[in-house]
Amino acid sequence: RKEVEQDPGPFNVPEGATVAFNCTYSNSASQSFFWYRQDCRKEPKLLMSVYSSGNEDGRFTAQLNRASQYISLLIRDSKLSDSATYLCVVNSPTGRRALTFGSGTRLQVQP
Amino acid sequence: DTGVSQNPRHKITKRGQNVTFRCDPISEHNRLYWYRQTLGQGPEFLTYFQNEAQLEKSRLLSDRFSAERPKGSFSTLEIQRTEQGDSAMYLCASSLVAGDYNEQFFGPGTRLTVL
Repeated sequence: RKEVEQDPGPFNVPEGATVAFNCTYSNSASQSFFWYRQDCRKEPKLLMSVYSSGNEDGRFTAQLNRASQYISLLIRDSKLSDSATYLCVVNSPTGRRALTFGSGTRLQVQP
Repeated sequence: DTGVSQNPRHKITKRGQNVTFRCDPISEHNRLYWYRQTLGQGPEFLTYFQNEAQLEKSRLLSDRFSAERPKGSFSTLEIQRTEQGDSAMYLCASSLVAGDYNEQFFGPGTRLTVL
């Protein structure tokens, strides 16, 4: 089983739609969580950190459910510019400071 | 530009040759990471440094791979006797040790093609 699992998509949605991505992680001791965005042939860019209480940044809302080991990202009022791959990322504890990435969920927003 | 920089951006080499990549992190960041990404996958961890000390290496980092960060600033990743399976995007990231949230910022990557 992969440490971080995501639905690869693609998710094809019209402009203005609301879309949600989910992600599960296997290490219950994981301490920090992120969503990164990656455009085609570019580097991953940090979209938002995901806190236990959930957090919102404009049209983006992230939720964390530690009991179910589940992370979500909600995008409201989708824009064409939101088309990208969204990577769910987990930072496991105790010595290993590297990030563990899911394979990504591809979003295509259509006019 | 004060972000992470990597050179070269692209490298094409023949199988069996050695290649070296360079990463310059964000100046105040004391941690530096190397990742490798292949098509359709998320980045996979290779190794990381805190200042000049290499603190962890992945099982992906075979004996042909070596990384250095001699003065705790820039880092180099060398691949000896390249193989076609080494073809990938090599990404460098840096972070500042502060609290539990290890937010890492990535450079543009070096795309390696081994012919």
